[in-house]
Amino acid sequence: KNQVEQSPQSLIILEGKNCTLQCNYTVSPFSNLRWYKQDTGRGPVSLTIMTFSENTKSNGRYTATLDADTKQSSLHITASQLSDSASYICVVSPLDTGGFKTIFGAGTRLFVKA
Amino acid sequence: NAGVTQTPKFQVLKTGQSMTLQCAQDMNHNSMYWYRQDPGMGLRLIYYSASEGTTDKGEVPNGYNVSRLNKREFSLRLESAAPSQTSVYFCASRQSSYNSPLHFGNGTRLTVT
Repeated sequence: KNQVEQSPQSLIILEGKNCTLQCNYTVSPFSNLRWYKQDTGRGPVSLTIMTFSENTKSNGRYTATLDADTKQSSLHITASQLSDSASYICVVSPLDTGGFKTIFGAGTRLFVKA
Repeated sequence: NAGVTQTPKFQVLKTGQSMTLQCAQDMNHNSMYWYRQDPGMGLRLIYYSASEGTTDKGEVPNGYNVSRLNKREFSLRLESAAPSQTSVYFCASRQSSYNSPLHFGNGTRLTVT
């Protein structure tokens, strides 16, 4: 069964510190892997996308990595800010569903404290 | 620059009541989606519409119906609400491109008592 699992479930860090969020997936083959940020009370917003052939993608202080051999992805946040407090969701698109049936992880809830 | 708009934002229903959740997008996207989000779980696809005039079941379609009214609008109907349908519902849309991102509305928080 295609699954996406994220760890940790939640994380508390101090403002200015770095952190790394993990995503393990069993979806294969897949067309792309995305990370979304979801602020409280809002819908998710796309941060990065990587196809199966890419290893890393950056978006400002956010850097995503992908290891297709081990089926793992990570999202690294550098110099965290209070506004980074949110849920971060890993999403994988199976190749055989036409891109319509993407699979969502349960998310990591990040709290950045002053 | 509205993006995806959902109404209502909050709703409380009694078991057995019906309601329709509305969704509209102004980005000229072809495909639209309805998801539900429950604590500790990833978003789950209820129904989707690949293009105007078509709808298909997702992972958890039971108890729901949808209508793709036109290219902009995609509604979700609960005919006889049950407590198990208490959830946050998100509408999303995206371009036809395989690698294009989903654009989400801000959700409808539904409680069924």
